[in-house]
Parts: sequence; C-alpha cells; structure tokens
Amino acid sequence: EADIYQTPRYLVIGTGKKITLECSQTMGHDKMYWYQQDPGMELHLIHYSYGVNSTEKGDLSSESTVSRIRTEHFPLTLESARPSHTSQYLCASSDLGLGETQYFGPGTRLLVL
Amino acid sequence: AQSVAQPEDQVNVAEGNPLTVKCTYSVSGNPYLFWYVQYPNRGLQFLLKYITGDNLVKGSYGFEAEFNKSQTSFHLKKPSALVSDSALYFCAVRENKWGRSQGNLIFGKGTKLSVKP
Repeated sequence: EADIYQTPRYLVIGTGKKITLECSQTMGHDKMYWYQQDPGMELHLIHYSYGVNSTEKGDLSSESTVSRIRTEHFPLTLESARPSHTSQYLCASSDLGLGETQYFGPGTRLLVL
Repeated sequence: AQSVAQPEDQVNVAEGNPLTVKCTYSVSGNPYLFWYVQYPNRGLQFLLKYITGDNLVKGSYGFEAEFNKSQTSFHLKKPSALVSDSALYFCAVRENKWGRSQGNLIFGKGTKLSVKP
C-alpha cells in the first residue's frame, strides 16, 4: 500500500545530541517537504525537495539540514539539538496532478531536554 | 503574495447539527484550494480540493466545500456533525497559473472543531 512513513514517532533527547528524523514514501512522488508544527498550531515549511539531489529552504529558518539521495527517502538532521527545537515535525510528499496534492506522514514529536 | 485566513480559532457544534468552517484566500490569479484535517498526535489528512469546474466539491467523511470566487472563500461544510469530527482543520491555497501550480502550498492557522454530544 502506498504510504508515507516517519520514524521515530516520539523522541526525547538531551541538549547537544545529533538526531536524524527519517521520512520515507512509497507513493512514487518526486516532491517532498518538511514542516515544523507546535502542537495545535500552524504549519511552517522548513525544507522541500523537487527530486534527487535537490533541496531548498522553506519559509521558516531552521538549523536543521536535509538530504535527498534517493527518491523515496528525505531525512532531516539536527547536528546539535536544543530545547528550542522541541516541536512536531511533519513530512509530506506531493503528486504531479493538478494542484499537486500533498500527503502527510504521521509526524515525529521531538522533545529536547 | 498568496495568503489564506481562517477567521475562527474554534467552532463549537452540537452533534447532528450542520457545521461550517470558514476560509478566505488571496492569490493574484486563480487558486488551487485544499482542506486537511488533523487528529491529535497525527499528521494531516487530505479531505478535498478545488481545482476547477463545479464550485461545490465533495470529499471524504461526508465533507464538502463551496468555492466562491467573488467572496474569495472556500468554506468547509457538513450537513450533520459527528463527535468524531472533532479535530483541527486546515485550509490551504496555491496559485494556479495556466493550469500549473505556482509556489508552495500556503496553510491557514487552523480551526479547532469541537462537536458535543
């Protein structure tokens, strides 16, 4: 079944640790996105990719980085986690149909102590 | 610049009553419009979208939305609300230029829908 996956779903980590949030999709989509969302609040686009070897920064400045080596995989990395990084991170991918509908993964809730 | 507004932070409805969640948008040309729903501790689920054609769009779970170009609105509606409809609803817009998407998808701030038994 075509879907979009994120791991881990929940992560509690200490300040200064390096973390990677995983996102994979079996939708066959070229475009992928990362959003940051505080619980119950609006979404902020932090990174997106048009395809392999393409990465762009979004509207919200973020200390995270992303890579796109394979079409189906779009990991997000924080080199040194801080409490200000505590948030929910949502991964999405979009089709090429009219409007380019985005489909979202279940999210990763990150807590940095 | 594209923008979308959801004027109500929260909408309260009794189960069985009709519900409306409001959305207005601003784009320089024609819009692609979307509604998503988010349940607690989950990602966003796509409900429906307006591309072109009929102003009334039907989507998942009995929801529908009406595109009104003159009022630049795309309100989400359901004839009879269920307690399980309680969630956070997001409207989103992207510009449609000659049948192609322009720019990134812009989301509203979300409206919390609470349906009481």
